[in-house]
Amino acid sequence: GQNIDQPTEMTATEGAIVQINCTYQTSGFNGLFWYQQHAGEAPTFLSYNVLDGLEEKGRFSSFLSRSKGYSYLLLKELQMKDSASYLCAVRDRTGTYKYIFGTGTRLKVLA
Amino acid sequence: KAGVTQTPRYLIKTRGQQVTLSCSPISGHRSVSWYQQTPGQGLQFLFEYFSETQRNKGNFPGRFSGRQFSNSRSEMNVSTLELGDSALYLCASSLTSSRYSPLHFGNGTRLTVT
Repeated sequence: GQNIDQPTEMTATEGAIVQINCTYQTSGFNGLFWYQQHAGEAPTFLSYNVLDGLEEKGRFSSFLSRSKGYSYLLLKELQMKDSASYLCAVRDRTGTYKYIFGTGTRLKVLA
Repeated sequence: KAGVTQTPRYLIKTRGQQVTLSCSPISGHRSVSWYQQTPGQGLQFLFEYFSETQRNKGNFPGRFSGRQFSNSRSEMNVSTLELGDSALYLCASSLTSSRYSPLHFGNGTRLTVT
């Protein structure tokens, strides 16, 4: 079947580094996406991995291991504005393309 | 460039009624998909439209339907509303329906069924 798991909540301190893990099971993997969603707002695209390895984009990096069905989002130099939910999504090509989302990780950044 | 626009932002309906939600994608985007977001379930895929054709459908009952117009605008309809339909309904558009094409979400319509 298709399944995505990520922690429900995490807490970290301003200026620190936090890693949000995501594991997935899908038969037609076609890319992994990370989205950020502030409370009451739309999810916004953060990063995309289709090949194994690390993709870096400023303070945000995302890693993928297809053989392990595993990804993580790394946030460096945490700021208060990073308090949000982080959604892991897999693009699946079984049949026609569709996205499968995890339930999201709510990150609280403390001063 | 204007983002994805969803109307209305908030809706309150009673059980048994029906509701229509609207979504205008980013200009040039031909793929529009709909998601239901609830605290316990996260984002659940409803359906996707591309060039006025439904390309994919999630595991929702037939009370949930949608369509896409020639200008790529999309509507979603829910008939015979149930209390469990209370959720945030998100529309997302993308440039194409395949390969790498991230989703761009609207702010959603918050539906409350009483």
